[in-house]
Amino acid sequence: DAKTTQPPSMDCAEGRAANLPCNHSTISGNEYVYWYRQIHSQGPQYIIHGLKNNETNEMASLIITEDRKSSTLILPHATLRDTAVYYCIVRVSNTDKLIFGTGTRLQVFP
Amino acid sequence: SQTIHQWPATLVQPVGSPLSLECTVEGTSNPNLYWYRQAAGRGLQLLFYSVGIGQISSEVPQNLSASRPQDRQFILSSKKLLLSDSGFYLCAWRMSGLSAEAFFGQGTRLTVV
Repeated sequence: DAKTTQPPSMDCAEGRAANLPCNHSTISGNEYVYWYRQIHSQGPQYIIHGLKNNETNEMASLIITEDRKSSTLILPHATLRDTAVYYCIVRVSNTDKLIFGTGTRLQVFP
Repeated sequence: SQTIHQWPATLVQPVGSPLSLECTVEGTSNPNLYWYRQAAGRGLQLLFYSVGIGQISSEVPQNLSASRPQDRQFILSSKKLLLSDSGFYLCAWRMSGLSAEAFFGQGTRLTVV
């Protein structure tokens, strides 16, 4: 199983970029990296996913290293509403399981 | 568009009582369905997932069971609740495939007293 490791918590000033790292050193060649976030007492919300190339959407950017062993989620201009737990996950090879780790608790402060 | 419904939003049940949580998905066919549990201050633990009617994969031995009687219906059950079953239960769906993202319901907060 491809596993991910993330720092337990991070702080970011409002208006600044939040860069959330994730290590997935055992990722297989056809496994995608997904990012979700969970605001307190709500269901997780999908943010972005990628395979090899960097990806960008209206919420965030995803930078994946060339060896695919790590990635970074970038929130370009963090707001107070971005305070949440951010999960980086990899789909388990040859199954439909999605295994979540403990995530990174991002605190955006004024 | 697809939607996922999960109910009830909150539930308080005595120890030893049965449990039935229901999740339904609209607007799609043959989705993969998932049940997760989140203890207070913890991450999401995958409990069960299903790739089709009557097909249930259990991830963690426990006091719970799951069933999928219809294509877009996923039920989480227990015959006798334990205090340790308290938590935030989340249902999710995604299409089968390498890149499909998952969509979550709003969750059920279960307190066993």
